[in-house]
Amino acid sequence: GAGVSQTPSNKVTEKGKYVELRCDPISGHTALYWYRQSLGQGPEFLIYFQGTGAADDSGLPNDRFFAVRPEGSVSTLKIQRTERGDSAVYLCASSFSLAGFNEQFFGPGTRLTVL
Amino acid sequence: SQQGEEDPQALSIQEGENATMNCSYKTSINNLQWYRQNSGRGLVHLILIRSNEREKHSGRLRVTLDTSKKSSSLLITASRAADTASYFCATSHSNTGNQFYFGTGTSLTVIP
Repeated sequence: GAGVSQTPSNKVTEKGKYVELRCDPISGHTALYWYRQSLGQGPEFLIYFQGTGAADDSGLPNDRFFAVRPEGSVSTLKIQRTERGDSAVYLCASSFSLAGFNEQFFGPGTRLTVL
Repeated sequence: SQQGEEDPQALSIQEGENATMNCSYKTSINNLQWYRQNSGRGLVHLILIRSNEREKHSGRLRVTLDTSKKSSSLLITASRAADTASYFCATSHSNTGNQFYFGTGTSLTVIP
């Protein structure tokens, strides 16, 4: 079946604007992760969903960042009042069950540029 | 920080040679996974090794885990130009459940 998909692939916005990034996980995967990756760095954990609930959001950098997964499938990462420092590639990954014990499947990412 | 650290940061070898990358971490793990990332692309899972395992193989890949030294190594044998990519280790820890911590990666270049 299809892998993890993310839209848009690229997003350019101005400082202060609101953005939404979408992730479609692999069908049947209950676990969904968001990561942020800056140039030359490894992915940085943001938030983890098990089903519809955010099981761990301790990686969100501040209250401008929020994510939802209302039906336990598609997830949206929302960033308010964007800042230049938010520029990065935002990666989504899904896993059949608890990702701590299973392979994660990554999407291609959304490259966010805040001007 | 529980973030893993890969070593070396960059590695350049000739096609056909073996490539070895190392990962060190700080606290007890549930498991450790290795991923590959081609430039501008998402990450691809390579191997998962659990804390009670010491070695795993997958094709030309060999992963070892030494929990006493809190380190893992990834060996790619008979390297190919297509192996050129960044390689990351990711650790899952006993005290943080489902969070994954990625290192900064090793950039491997295989020269044809």
